[in-house]
Amino acid sequence: AQSVAQPEDQVNVAEGNPLTVKCTYSVSGNPYLFWYVQYPNRGLQFLLKYITGDNLVKGSYGFEAEFNKSQTSFHLKKPSALVSDSALYFCAVRDAFSGYSTLTFGKGTMLLVSP
Amino acid sequence: AAGVIQSPRHLIKEKRETATLKCYPIPRHDTVYWYQQGPGQDPQFLISFYEKMQSDKGSIPDRFSAQQFSDYHSELNMSSLELGDSALYFCASRFKGGLNTEAFFGQGTRLTVV
Repeated sequence: AQSVAQPEDQVNVAEGNPLTVKCTYSVSGNPYLFWYVQYPNRGLQFLLKYITGDNLVKGSYGFEAEFNKSQTSFHLKKPSALVSDSALYFCAVRDAFSGYSTLTFGKGTMLLVSP
Repeated sequence: AAGVIQSPRHLIKEKRETATLKCYPIPRHDTVYWYQQGPGQDPQFLISFYEKMQSDKGSIPDRFSAQQFSDYHSELNMSSLELGDSALYFCASRFKGGLNTEAFFGQGTRLTVV
């Protein structure tokens, strides 16, 4: 079984400050890891993914995430937050070696960036 | 670029009625997933299809059924609707040929059962 934990229901940060949204995962094989963002009444938008290679992955809108195998983590980061980054962020995992494996999502973390 | 299209965007039904949600995947995508997201909840996997065959099954109630058609669009049929079925239903598509490809989600169908 695969699972994702996002330990923070909400993260508050001031505009211009760095932000981190935490994610840890559990999967039987090697993980494919994803971050999605959801704005109110909208679908899930893909931000970035880790498949293999460099542990630091860069994605859309200046976001990046760092894969840490020993800590089974895939934290989302951004050097300087924008008010427009305020949204619900989901971390997701899929087993790399199962072609049919579905995405399992974390509970989501609400990011609130204050002006 | 073309995205995943879901219809309708909003649907209001009464208890015990039926509903059909449609999903049109991104062209060339051969895999479709259905997810249910309740208020304040994370998306829960319902069912998926690959090349028109069911490939995986999650927490889909027996009252629900789904299929993928020859043109790769998919429909989620929901019968004997209950108040608890009120949720946002997402469809996602992916090209399975590349194992490392990400899934792209539609805007969702908001179903309200009254």
